[in-house]
Amino acid sequence: AQSVTQLGSHVSVSEGALVLLRCNYSSSVPPYLFWYVQYPNQGLQLLLKYTSAATLVKGINGFEAEFKKSETSFHLTKPSAHMSDAAEYFCAVSEGNQGGKLIFGQGTELSVKP
Amino acid sequence: GAVVSQHPSRVICKSGTSVKIECRSLDFQATTMFWYRQFPKQSLMLMATSNEGSKATYEQGVEKDKFLINHASLTLSTLTVTSAHPEDSSFYICSASGQPNYGYTFGSGTRLTVV
Repeated sequence: AQSVTQLGSHVSVSEGALVLLRCNYSSSVPPYLFWYVQYPNQGLQLLLKYTSAATLVKGINGFEAEFKKSETSFHLTKPSAHMSDAAEYFCAVSEGNQGGKLIFGQGTELSVKP
Repeated sequence: GAVVSQHPSRVICKSGTSVKIECRSLDFQATTMFWYRQFPKQSLMLMATSNEGSKATYEQGVEKDKFLINHASLTLSTLTVTSAHPEDSSFYICSASGQPNYGYTFGSGTRLTVV
């Protein structure tokens, strides 16, 4: 069965600094992987997804993630943090195939200091 | 892009009453709808999966008689919390998957408070 682990429930960076949010997955089949962002009292917005094409995936708002099969990782990065990036971030893996249920990580709260 | 409209965004109800939450896919056919529950500062917990025209599949530990899910059309799914109690207070989010790209589109969530 698939699972996702996000290392660090809370990450704090200064404005303009690199953002790195870690995600490791467990899957017996080639996975579909996703990163979502959630602002308070809102639903989830897709940042980017990996679906077995290019291993470096570019998403919205300057975020990108690299799929590393050897490390079973899909870490999310952004070169320069903005105050508006402060939110909760979730990594998820699709069980079995596209359209199957999503398995979410525990979430990482990103704080951005001025 | 794909849009899922979820209503209401907030609801307060009295203990013992029932509350219905609607999710509509506005510009695509939602063949599968997922319903999640989220406690404060926690991740999303999948409650059930429903395919259009079929009975929902509930996750272990979720009471199907308490959380009634209907997915009668390709654009509408509803979650009814029956005989609500304060412990049912939570943030409920739907997610739809379907043609044409089988991605996942989330609703904006419903904050349920049972008093």
